[in-house]
Amino acid sequence: KAGVTQTPRYLIKTRGQQVTLSCSPISGHRSVSWYQQTPGQGLQFLFEYFSETQRNKGNFPGRFSGRQFSNSRSEMNVSTLELGDSALYLCASRGTENSPLHFGNGTRLTVT
Amino acid sequence: AQKVTQAQTEISVVEKEDVTLDCVYETRDTTYYLFWYKQPPSGELVFLIRRNSFDEQNEISGRYSWNFQKSTSSFNFTITASQVVDSAVYFCALSEGYGGSQGNLIFGKGTKLSVKP
Repeated sequence: KAGVTQTPRYLIKTRGQQVTLSCSPISGHRSVSWYQQTPGQGLQFLFEYFSETQRNKGNFPGRFSGRQFSNSRSEMNVSTLELGDSALYLCASRGTENSPLHFGNGTRLTVT
Repeated sequence: AQKVTQAQTEISVVEKEDVTLDCVYETRDTTYYLFWYKQPPSGELVFLIRRNSFDEQNEISGRYSWNFQKSTSSFNFTITASQVVDSAVYFCALSEGYGGSQGNLIFGKGTKLSVKP
C-alpha cells in the first residue's frame, strides 16, 4: 500500500506570491491533516479535513487555507507569502476515527 | 492548556547503550491519547506507538519500550541496545478528547538522538 504522497518535495517562492501544496492520502483514508514544522515553533497543527469538510483548524492566519476533494486528496494554499512561512509542511492521513496519523515526507517551502 | 515537554534537546550515545527519552504532558482532559513519532533525516514522521489515558500498561516492542505514568504525567520511551539506525528526532505528542480529535496533535519540541558506532 502506498504511503502518503506529497508534491512537490521542494519549492522556492518569493515573498508576496502564493503557493499550493498537494497531498494524496493512503488509499482508503478519508481524513487528512496538515502540519507546519519550523526550527523555532516546531510542529504545529494547521487543519484537518474529513470527507471534504474542514473539521479542525489551528491557530494560523487566514492566508493559510485548504480543501479536500471527493477522492480524499487535499491541497493547502498559502497566499501572500512571508519569509516566516518557510517551513516543512507535512500532510498526514488516517483511516478511521480511532486511527493514528500516518505522515508523508513533506514539502519543504523556502520563501525568499 | 495542553502542552508536551521534551526537556532533552539532544542526546548522544554509543551503539549498544540504552537510552531513555523523556516526555511530560499537561492536559485538563481525563480522556486523551499520547503518541511517539520518529523523524529520520528524510523528513517523514513515523508512527511508533499510541496510548490512551485509560491504559497505563507499559509496552515493549523489540528493543523499544514505553513507560506511561499518569501520576507524574509522563510517557517515557526507552531504546535498549541502541543502534546507528535509531539516530533520528523523536517526538512525543498529545491529543485530547476521543478518537475524532486525533488528527490534531500537540507535539513536543523533539529530542534529537545520535547513536555513534
